[in-house]
Amino acid sequence: GEDVEQSLFLSVREGDSSVINCTYTDSSSTYLYWYKQEPGAGLQLLTYIFSNMDMKQDQRLTVLLNKKDKHLSLRIADTQTGDSAIYFCAETSAGGGNKLTFGTGTQLKVEL
Amino acid sequence: GAVVSQHPSRVICKSGTSVKIECRSLDFQATTMFWYRQFPKQSLMLMATSNEGSKATYEQGVEKDKFLINHASLTLSTLTVTSAHPEDSSFYICSAREGGWNEQYFGPGTRLTVT
Repeated sequence: GEDVEQSLFLSVREGDSSVINCTYTDSSSTYLYWYKQEPGAGLQLLTYIFSNMDMKQDQRLTVLLNKKDKHLSLRIADTQTGDSAIYFCAETSAGGGNKLTFGTGTQLKVEL
Repeated sequence: GAVVSQHPSRVICKSGTSVKIECRSLDFQATTMFWYRQFPKQSLMLMATSNEGSKATYEQGVEKDKFLINHASLTLSTLTVTSAHPEDSSFYICSAREGGWNEQYFGPGTRLTVT
């Protein structure tokens, strides 16, 4: 089945940029997503990118997609303490019935 | 924006009893709802997909007789954990989708603890 991997932990200083990486195996992915989960809460969709795009920017968030290497990244500019959370990448593919397959999650810790 | 609620947010039940979790789409009609399970510090695992008015489709390894899913209306799906055991303790999250490929909106989750 599809596999989506992320590094487990990232620590940055407030004001710095954060880059969270994700790799996936499904070459037929159609959409790739980034979700944020705060402690004890559900998931909040941050942004998504269609598989024929290389980059998408939305305010402080920049998503880069390297389809050849099956690598997705999320850059958060000017990281704030409120950005501390777990970030999940996820993908859907037409062959998967548009079901979401989630990555393992990256815990982002923002230090003062 | 699209809001999905879950009830209860936390539940503690005794081993052997059943517990029902509700998932509601508050301001849209959800043709499809999904149920996920999340263990501490782990990712979300899809348990089943339910379409309004039809039987749920369960993922491999998920016991359909243990995790009963009902999607009786376009705004409500329920997950019943039957004969709960301590290993069923987990965070259960639902999501709802309005159309065929549209964004999934997630509920806040239900923390189930079986003692």
